[in-house]
Amino acid sequence: GAVVSQHPSRVICKSGTSVKIECRSLDFQATTMFWYRQFPKQSLMLMATSNEGSKATYEQGVEKDKFLINHASLTLSTLTVTSAHPEDSSFYICSARSLRGGSYNEQFFGPGTRLTVL
Amino acid sequence: QKEVEQDPGPLSVPEGAIVSLNCTYSNSAFQYFMWYRQYSRKGPELLMYTYSSGNKEDGRFTAQVDKSSKYISLFIRDSQPSDSATYLCAMSFLHGSGNTGKLIFGQGTTLQVKP
Repeated sequence: GAVVSQHPSRVICKSGTSVKIECRSLDFQATTMFWYRQFPKQSLMLMATSNEGSKATYEQGVEKDKFLINHASLTLSTLTVTSAHPEDSSFYICSARSLRGGSYNEQFFGPGTRLTVL
Repeated sequence: QKEVEQDPGPLSVPEGAIVSLNCTYSNSAFQYFMWYRQYSRKGPELLMYTYSSGNKEDGRFTAQVDKSSKYISLFIRDSQPSDSATYLCAMSFLHGSGNTGKLIFGQGTTLQVKP
């Protein structure tokens, strides 16, 4: 099956610093990548949708200047949490959708990145 | 009202039991219905997806969609301790025509299968 990796898997940082999370599709090209956030015992909440070579589309309530998304290639998207604060501590998960045709394009999820802001 | 409602549980059953997991939704435009399994501190993995209404079976798993009632179910037969995880339902609109295919998730139901 298709594999999506995330790096780092866990990061602890001080308040005010910026953190970059990478999402890679390892064995397929992804037209679209999605970034989700998941708080403990809660569901995945979509933060933004990014298409290769274009600006990301952010969900309502997500600050685009705080959560910078870059989708520079068909296999790599990055999420940068700028000036992180303790309330940004969460589990960040990316997913990637393949270029396969048809109206249903399965999303493959990465293993997630646990961010802890002290 | 949330677009997708799912009882968070937890649900505890003995090994071998039949498990029934359910979600309700409010938007009749959803066309794809998915069930994901998520182990602790891991990303979700797709178990099954169904397009529109009907049933789909894969081994011990059966997914049902009733669009008239806006209700979907996942049944797990002969449950095993290894099935212990959080099960998330997710839905999406038809991809294309301006829809990105984004997923809307339920809260997830935590399942524990006891040996």
